[in-house]
Amino acid sequence: DAKTTQPTSMDCAEGRAANLPCNHSTISGNEYVYWYRQIHSQGPQYIIHGLKNNETNEMASLIITEDRKSSTLILPHATLRDTAVYYCIVLTSGNTPLVFGKGTRLSVIA
Amino acid sequence: DSGVTQTPKHLITATGQRVTLRCSPRSGDLSVYWYQQSLDQGLQFLIQYYNGEERAKGNILERFSAQQFPDLHSELNLSSLELGDSALYFCASSVGGGGRGSYNEQFFGPGTRLTVL
Repeated sequence: DAKTTQPTSMDCAEGRAANLPCNHSTISGNEYVYWYRQIHSQGPQYIIHGLKNNETNEMASLIITEDRKSSTLILPHATLRDTAVYYCIVLTSGNTPLVFGKGTRLSVIA
Repeated sequence: DSGVTQTPKHLITATGQRVTLRCSPRSGDLSVYWYQQSLDQGLQFLIQYYNGEERAKGNILERFSAQQFPDLHSELNLSSLELGDSALYFCASSVGGGGRGSYNEQFFGPGTRLTVL
C-alpha cells in the first residue's frame, strides 16, 4: 500500500471547519483513500473513503485532488468530541488489513 | 457501539503466562482482524481471518496465534508473555475478505488492555 504523510498535530476552534490534509503521492490508480479516527484509546472508527471523486457523508467530506496525490478531510463544524487522532490510509480494498501511520492529532478547542 | 465485542476489557498477568483474547464480530461479517497498539509501535496489524481461514498475516510473533471458529468468533492466544507485550489489542470485522473493488469499512471493538507484570 502507498505511504501517506500527515501533519503531526492540528488545532481547531469549536464550531469551525477542521481541514486535515494528507499526501499520498505514490497512490496507484486502483487505490482508495480511507480515513479513520481514534478517540483516546477507543477502537478506531471509519469516517469516509473515496477513489477520485469528492465524497460526503454525515460525518465529513473528502476532497481528493485531480491528480489524486493528496486529499483533505473536512469536518464542517468541529466539536470537542472530534478531538482524536485521524489516520489517512491508502488501500486497494476496504477488506484488507489497515496500515496505520502516525496520523494527525486534532485538538478541538472551546 | 460498533457491534464488535471483545472480552475481557482488561487483563493483568505475569511474564511467561498465556492468555486468550476473544472477539465476536458484527452479525454478518465474515472477516476478523487483530491489531496491536503499543506506545512505541502504534497500531499494527497482526492477522486476518475470513470465514474460518487465515487470509493475511502481519507482524505477529510466533508466540501468538489466532483462530476463527465456525460461529465466526475469533480468539487470539498470546503465550510466553513478555513485558513488551503489554498493549491494547483490537479486533475489527468487515463483511468481505479483501477482493478488489470491495470497499467495506472495518468496525473495531473496544479493545482488550493487556498488562504484563
